[in-house]
Amino acid sequence: AQKVTQAQTEISVVEKEDVTLDCVYETRDTTYYLFWYKQPPSGELVFLIRRNSFDEQNEISGRYSWNFQKSTSSFNFTITASQVVDSAVYFCALNNNAGNMLTFGGGTRLMVKP
Amino acid sequence: DAGITQSPRHKVTETGTPVTLRCHQTENHRYMYWYRQDPGHGLRLIHYSYGVKDTDKGEVSDGYSVSRSKTEDFLLTLESATSSQTSVYFCAISEDQPNPYGYTFGSGTRLTVV
Repeated sequence: AQKVTQAQTEISVVEKEDVTLDCVYETRDTTYYLFWYKQPPSGELVFLIRRNSFDEQNEISGRYSWNFQKSTSSFNFTITASQVVDSAVYFCALNNNAGNMLTFGGGTRLMVKP
Repeated sequence: DAGITQSPRHKVTETGTPVTLRCHQTENHRYMYWYRQDPGHGLRLIHYSYGVKDTDKGEVSDGYSVSRSKTEDFLLTLESATSSQTSVYFCAISEDQPNPYGYTFGSGTRLTVV
């Protein structure tokens, strides 16, 4: 079995603030893949990033950065200098080798106010 | 760039009526999935298919059935719709399972059962 927990159901920030979205996962498999998806108000799911269990290198893409730590089973997502367009629901997800399909966390709704 | 399309996009139906949602892909991917999205639960897997006529249950399969008679089409049927099945339904596809590149999602179907 596998599980993804996003403890923050809703976060509200003012534009230009930095914000971190937390993701904690559980899996017994040693090979697994982690993902972040964004769901803007229009409703579609937009892929943001993937990370495999063998690659703990953190990644930065513009204002977005991701911190993967196997020791704490966490895959956190930080938005630097947030903008109103970042307002969305963000999902963390996990896929592993043990027969489990892609499993999602409950999502974090981010509201960025001008 | 829609390699995956869902129909209908919106549907309102009455309690007790049968409803079928369709997912169509042009990518020739082996795996197809149906998820439902509800507040606080993220996306939860209903059923999935790993080939023509090969399907299996997901986390929340009660009240749903699926069929896949062609590689490109995956149908989700609510035999007798209930209000608890009011949700947004997403179809997804992937070449492999697990898939290090994640799944590709359709645009979703908003179903309201009144």
